Amino acid sequence: DAKTTQPPSMDCAEGRAANLPCNHSTISGNEYVYWYRQIHSQGPQYIIHGLKNNETNEMASLIITEDRKSSTLILPHATLRDTAVYYCIVMGGATNKLIFGTGTLLAVQP
Amino acid sequence: ETGVTQTPRHLVMGMTNKKSLKCEQHLGHNAMYWYKQSAKKPLELMFVYSLEERVENNSVPSRFSPECPNSSHLFLHLHTLQPEDSALYLCASSQEPQAHSRSTEAFFGQGTRLTVV
Repeated sequence: DAKTTQPPSMDCAEGRAANLPCNHSTISGNEYVYWYRQIHSQGPQYIIHGLKNNETNEMASLIITEDRKSSTLILPHATLRDTAVYYCIVMGGATNKLIFGTGTLLAVQP
Repeated sequence: ETGVTQTPRHLVMGMTNKKSLKCEQHLGHNAMYWYKQSAKKPLELMFVYSLEERVENNSVPSRFSPECPNSSHLFLHLHTLQPEDSALYLCASSQEPQAHSRSTEAFFGQGTRLTVV
């Protein structure tokens, strides 16, 4: 019952920005957008989250559209170690559980 | 190192064995979770514990039995498993929200790779 839609895979050249899109057209007003990633055979790792303002931390930036129906995770300078499955998850309010969809497999190419 | 430790990292067990997976967190979180990740499938939420009480059981077969003796420890007891139960089992913890606040991010362990033979 994931509430988000992501492309199954993307490629990115090493050193370039990786822009990962996510659609969440049914998001409600008190739900946050969370991003996690999972490097092969490891546990998922939290990246960033936001409600309606754009957010930035040491790992990434999160751009949320004004209508909040979609967002983009930006890795400004992708490295080979950023190759992973990236999950966009809507959570909060009545849905306070991390429910993972299929995510986007980002392959960073040398 | 995420602050969530799972043991063992790898486990091979026969279908008639009884084994337990252990998860430990010292982050001061009040919620813990078990997830299952089968090959090429999304993570599936199995159990949720909040304040040491089980608050969710997502139709998990009774051969999986969770236990949360305190807020820092979570176990998954395994009994009479099937080969299709072979998977990566992940534990996570988070701080559940109080009124009008959101949950904090979840921290995951490295998982236990379980093989049932």
